Formats: sequence, structure tokens, C-alpha cells
Amino acid sequence: QQPVQSPQAVILREGEDAVINCSSSKALYSVHWYRQKHGEAPVFLMILLKGGEQKGHDKISASFNEKKQQSSLYLTASQLSYSGTYFCGTGSGGGADGLTFGKGTHLIIQP
Amino acid sequence: NAGVTQTPKFQVLKTGQSMTLQCAQDMNHEYMSWYRQDPGMGLRLIHYSVGAGITDQGEVPNGYNVSRSTTEDFPLRLLSAAPSQTSVYFCASSYSINLAGGRETQYFGPGTRLLVL
Repeated sequence: QQPVQSPQAVILREGEDAVINCSSSKALYSVHWYRQKHGEAPVFLMILLKGGEQKGHDKISASFNEKKQQSSLYLTASQLSYSGTYFCGTGSGGGADGLTFGKGTHLIIQP
Repeated sequence: NAGVTQTPKFQVLKTGQSMTLQCAQDMNHEYMSWYRQDPGMGLRLIHYSVGAGITDQGEVPNGYNVSRSTTEDFPLRLLSAAPSQTSVYFCASSYSINLAGGRETQYFGPGTRLLVL
């Protein structure tokens, strides 16, 4: 089943913070985060693996709680370039069946 | 490196026609996959391959065939196009996919926009 992302959409002012959540009904081994601009291909942001690790990339960070089967993406002091649709992709492990993506969260950053 | 390339960028088909969407990568990636993206649905896996000669079905395989004769190429064939196959198709590749399930970064191609009338 597709992981569930929330919120579906969010509008922020430049400089504000945002949190995007991704939850799954099945056990997860990995969570991938991608950002997609309109009319473009998804671009990789980061991978989180089982173990509850947290990663950061500039002002974008993420956490993964495998017990709760949830991951969250944190965007700090958002910039105009952060606008786009964010997707989480989940890997269940134990097989080579690729990722299952959520429906996406639309993020709009206004000046 | 060109990365992941897809052709054509746009295509219009009539119902019942067949066509092949091309995907190639020059990064020597073992794993390749095809997704379709529809408004409000996110990315859904159609077929994937873990290496030359090995393919398997994803979430929405009906109406599509794939083959992997070389490491570089992974074409997607629409056997008899239907309006429900109107979508944006993305090909992706990664260095390897192991038993951990999606461990490696996937690199996406630019996409093919398909309209079936």
C-alpha cells in the first residue's frame, strides 16, 4: 500500500519552517525523500535506513522511526527554491521490489 | 555522463496503437524501473529489473511489457494503448538494489508525456 503523506499541501512565507510526514501501514526498512518541480523529474534528497537515524542536508533534515513506521522531513528557514512537491518512497526490505511512493505534499513558498 | 535518458519527450497515440518508450542509462546501474505518474496519485511502479535478463512486475503492470537485454537499456512497450494509459512515464535507475529493499538512490530520467486519444 502507498504510504500516507501529510499535509497534502502547505503554503509558507519565505523563512518559515515546515514539516512533512510520511507513514506506512507496513514495516519499513528504508525511507527515501524526493522533491519534484513542476514539469521536471523527481530529484533525490536523502535516504533514511532502519535504525532511527536522522539525516540533514543544508537546512533540510529528516527522521525515521521504524517502530512507528513513520518518517518526517523538516525544512528550516524555507527558501523560494524549496517550492515543489515532496514525495516519500518506502522500501520494505526482504525483496527487490523497488519503492512505493506516497501521493506527495505540495509546498509553496511565498516571498 | 548523460545519466538517465528517455525518448520521446512527448507522444500522442490513438487507442489500440502500440509503441515503445525508450530508457537508457550510462552509469552502469544494475537496477532500472518504470513508473507512471498521474495527478494526485504519486509515482506508481510498473515494472523493474535487477539486471540484464531479469524483469519483474510492479504495482501496475497490466498493458505494459518490458525486457532488459543489456545493462544500459530498459524499454517499456505499450501493447495496445488505452486512454487510461495517458500519463507521464519516468524511468529510474540505481547502482544496485539489494535485499534491504530500495537501499540505493534512484536517479530519474526527464520523463515521457503520453496522451492516448
